[in-house]
Amino acid sequence: DAGITQSPRHKVTETGTPVTLRCHQTENHRYMYWYRQDPGHGLRLIHYSYGVKDTDKGEVSDGYSVSRSKTEDFLLTLESATSSQTSVYFCAISVRTGGVETQYFGPGTRLLVL
Amino acid sequence: DAKTTQPNSMESNEEEPVHLPCNHSTISGTDYIHWYRQLPSQGPEYVIHGLTSNVNNRMASLAIAEDRKSSTLILHRATLRDAAVYYCILRDSSSNTGKLIFGQGTTLQVKP
Repeated sequence: DAGITQSPRHKVTETGTPVTLRCHQTENHRYMYWYRQDPGHGLRLIHYSYGVKDTDKGEVSDGYSVSRSKTEDFLLTLESATSSQTSVYFCAISVRTGGVETQYFGPGTRLLVL
Repeated sequence: DAKTTQPNSMESNEEEPVHLPCNHSTISGTDYIHWYRQLPSQGPEYVIHGLTSNVNNRMASLAIAEDRKSSTLILHRATLRDAAVYYCILRDSSSNTGKLIFGQGTTLQVKP
């Protein structure tokens, strides 16, 4: 499982409140990613990081911010949660072997915004 | 990244082989073909990848057409645990971001 954990695994919050999701890895991988998964949309990339304090936007980054102050932790923050951000959030890391990158995913966080 | 086309769903009987097709007519020379699958209530997991030659691993086989415009993921003996959504994804080997673009995938149902 590449040592990836996500916390919390489930969260219910109210519209307008800030929410932070944590992704933790134990194997010192450089690249980390946050995806969201919604019915009918598959997985969509929110943000990714290519090192400590190095992050970039994905295809659905509006309303989200990220931070990576340590190699092992990648935080996703919803500054002011909205009902449209109700989703399942997956964190992933990328492992490069023989010139090919493979991603390994965490177990996911189910977020419900009321 | 080039796009892929997969059937929305497929059915198989347990212990029979399953061939999951993927079309990628705009594939470039540097694109690797990756397959991931997502079991119910879990994150996606890597299955197999290839560039030009057919590939085998403990999970599956990947057959790549000679012109590379299509590929087929082969599960040699489907089990109930293979019921999942299977994603065919093209990854540009020259890209250093590692980003994956997921389509809708194929939902595989395995009947006992």
